[in-house]
Amino acid sequence: NAGVMQNPRHLVRRRGQEARLRCSPMKGHSHVYWYRQLPEEGLKFMVYLQKENIIDESGMPKERFSAEFPKEGPSILRIQQVVRGDSAAYFCASSPPQGGNSPLHFGNGTRLTVT
Amino acid sequence: KNQVEQSPQSLIILEGKNCTLQCNYTVSPFSNLRWYKQDTGRGPVSLTIMTFSENTKSNGRYTATLDADTKQSSLHITASQLSDSASYICVVSDLMFSGGYNKLIFGAGTRLAVHP
Repeated sequence: NAGVMQNPRHLVRRRGQEARLRCSPMKGHSHVYWYRQLPEEGLKFMVYLQKENIIDESGMPKERFSAEFPKEGPSILRIQQVVRGDSAAYFCASSPPQGGNSPLHFGNGTRLTVT
Repeated sequence: KNQVEQSPQSLIILEGKNCTLQCNYTVSPFSNLRWYKQDTGRGPVSLTIMTFSENTKSNGRYTATLDADTKQSSLHITASQLSDSASYICVVSDLMFSGGYNKLIFGAGTRLAVHP
């Protein structure tokens, strides 16, 4: 019974390159959330997706960032033309369809370093 | 201003001692308040979830309290162990009336170090 799986765990990109972060939710979970965490700061909401739909992307920068959760396969957070300020830990969480007071289950994150 | 404030920022205690972590929030309306434990280099793990009508919730040596009138919560850890060393994060659910979707607002966490 695997939990939320994120890969890669660590990703190093040069400025201007693209970063692709993957998240496989827990079995049976159709809701996926992406969060960003800077050192010494709390997690900041980026985007909330259900299968094939973006429900809320209010926390995601409008430029260079995109997210998808296709019918088949993992959710992808894509950052184009990365800059040093994108260096952070990116966490994915999933929840079952009933949402509400259900706990979120987090992956162990992808640590992105932009050099 | 951050909508979820936690104190202290960091705390050092000796193994076996108790401690209490505080959380003040301004999120309104809210549907639930959660406490998570985050080990270094790992994702947060849920400890407790309380709805606005609950006053207390326990999970082993962890006991969370909630006062919705004063918008305060606390997490009490009893008989601390070395493995309790982690960040403890208070999370408030900002209820958006669109399909019952809860947007979670995270505090910055309290870093707890338990020393032998």
